Amino acid sequence: ETGVTQTPRHLVMGMTNKKSLKCEQHLGHNAMYWYKQSAKKPLELMFVYSLEERVENNSVPSRFSPECPNSSHLFLHLHTLQPEDSALYLCASSQDGLGGETQYFGPGTRLLVL
Amino acid sequence: DAKTTQPPSMDCAEGRAANLPCNHSTISGNEYVYWYRQIHSQGPQYIIHGLKNNETNEMASLIITEDRKSSTLILPHATLRDTAVYYCIVRVSTDSWGKFQFGAGTQVVVTP
Repeated sequence: ETGVTQTPRHLVMGMTNKKSLKCEQHLGHNAMYWYKQSAKKPLELMFVYSLEERVENNSVPSRFSPECPNSSHLFLHLHTLQPEDSALYLCASSQDGLGGETQYFGPGTRLLVL
Repeated sequence: DAKTTQPPSMDCAEGRAANLPCNHSTISGNEYVYWYRQIHSQGPQYIIHGLKNNETNEMASLIITEDRKSSTLILPHATLRDTAVYYCIVRVSTDSWGKFQFGAGTQVVVTP
């Protein structure tokens, strides 16, 4: 247990569906991250939030919409996804998002888009 | 960002020490060396990090060369549960948000 939880752990959705991924951290951190890991590829950073403000958006398509209502919760809203969006989506948190701090990852949500 | 080079795979016998090398020849003075591992289909797990001194914790030891151009992660007594992909990452400093750039890592297989 890293102190970062993600739900659901597995998700199957059609291309016309809308779904949301949830992440919660119990570490008192103030920065949270979404990463995507496609099969056989390295992790790709998608979004960074610090103190509930989005500070990084790595050219992610608008069909992915993040939301950070407070420093403990992070959501990734999904709509009209494509099959190539099937991947492991990982959430992480850290103390301040800057410098040499350590990021702690959740277990991930395995997403399959049909 | 400095890049890292790791061997794609290595095997290790259970109970023996596993020494995982990483080259980061373009590392700059304020970049940390981080090690994570990822067991199949799970989230990456933090192992250890350091700047220039050697570090040890309950999981592993990190040896950084004096010129900081390479490092070695040592798992002192490998177990089957240590089978995972191990990532060596150099972390940019204070003006970048969350810039952990994961490469392909080293697939470590611990065998009985």
